[in-house]
This record gives sequence, C-alpha cells and structure tokens, in this order.
Amino acid sequence: GQNIDQPTEMTATEGAIVQINCTYQTSGFNGLFWYQQHAGEAPTFLSYNVLDGLEEKGRFSSFLSRSKGYSYLLLKELQMKDSASYLCAVREQGGKLIFGQGTELSVKP
Amino acid sequence: NAGVTQTPKFRILKIGQSMTLQCAQDMNHNYMYWYRQDPGMGLKLIYYSVGAGITDKGEVPNGYNVSRSTTEDFPLRLELAAPSQTSVYFCASSYQDGYTDTQYFGPGTRLTVL
Repeated sequence: GQNIDQPTEMTATEGAIVQINCTYQTSGFNGLFWYQQHAGEAPTFLSYNVLDGLEEKGRFSSFLSRSKGYSYLLLKELQMKDSASYLCAVREQGGKLIFGQGTELSVKP
Repeated sequence: NAGVTQTPKFRILKIGQSMTLQCAQDMNHNYMYWYRQDPGMGLKLIYYSVGAGITDKGEVPNGYNVSRSTTEDFPLRLELAAPSQTSVYFCASSYQDGYTDTQYFGPGTRLTVL
C-alpha cells in the first residue's frame, strides 16, 4: 500500500518563498504529482516528476528524490491568490493514483 | 476541447436510491479516475481505469461500481445510496507518455444523501 505525508497547515508572508514537503512510501513508484485546490473548486495540476531532480515552471518548482521517497513544492514570490490547499499524489506502477491529505497554505500580507 | 465534463453538478438523493454520475473526456486520455472528497479532507480514490475495458478498485470502492466501455466515458454508479456517500465526487483523466504526464479534473458533482 501507500502512505503519503504532508504538513497539515503552513503560513507564509506575501512575497516570500515557501517549501511544502511530501514524503511517501509505495510498493511501486511511477510518478509524483502536485496540485493546487482552492476552496470549493476542483484541483488544478501543477507539476509531475518521475525522475530525480528539480522541475521549474515559473514561480513554482517541484523536486523529487526517489531514493528518499521525498518531494517538495517550492513557491516563490508568494501572492495572496496562492492561499490554497496543495495536494501531493503518487502513482503506482499499475496506474493507481493516491493523494495525501493536502497542505493548507495561508499567505498573509 | 471541453476537457473533463461531469454531470450533474448537484444532486440530492434519498437513502436507498440509485444514480449514475457521468464523466467524459475528449482528450483521448488513457487513464481515468473517480475520487470523493469529504469536507476538509483529501481525495480518496474510488475506482480507476487504465484504458477502455479495464477498471480496478481504489481505496474506497464499496458501494460503487464503474464501467469503461469507451475511452471517453467513465460513469460511476451508486446502487443503494447511504448518508456516508454524501461528498463531492471528482472525475479526472490523464495521459502518460514516457516521462511526461498531465492530469485534469472535472468540476465535480456535489452529492447529498438524506
């Protein structure tokens, strides 16, 4: 089975940088996703990592270390609109995609 | 492209009633998923499919059934609705091609069972 852990809540200041960590244990790894979800809305895809290393997309970057079962999402130049829940999800070899509980990020002025 | 569409957007059911939640995608994605999300909680996988004719159970399949007769459609069936099935249901699809993948979610169906 899978076990995915993320911090429940984080708070950061507008304009700052925040790193949201995700650790996982899986019986067969086939990729890790990050999503953003605003209250009352569907999740929105942010990134996909299947190889070790850093993937950068504008203000958002995602890092993966398969040997450590570890990923992080880095958000730079935080804006108020970045206040949302950030979801880490891991795909197994057979296609099953399991989500963590999500990290609620609050951005303060 | 319409992306991932779900119908209905809202539904109220009585205990014991049945219904089908519809999900369709027009992106020729091979993977499709059904999730439920209870208030303040994460997404729980109900069923998934890696292609037409292939479905498999997720974390919380009890009380639900699915079928995938075409690439585009992945309906979720509730046979005997129970209050514990009150939730928001999200359908998602993705296409994995080598080292890239992007997953899209539908807008969700908000279901209340009374």
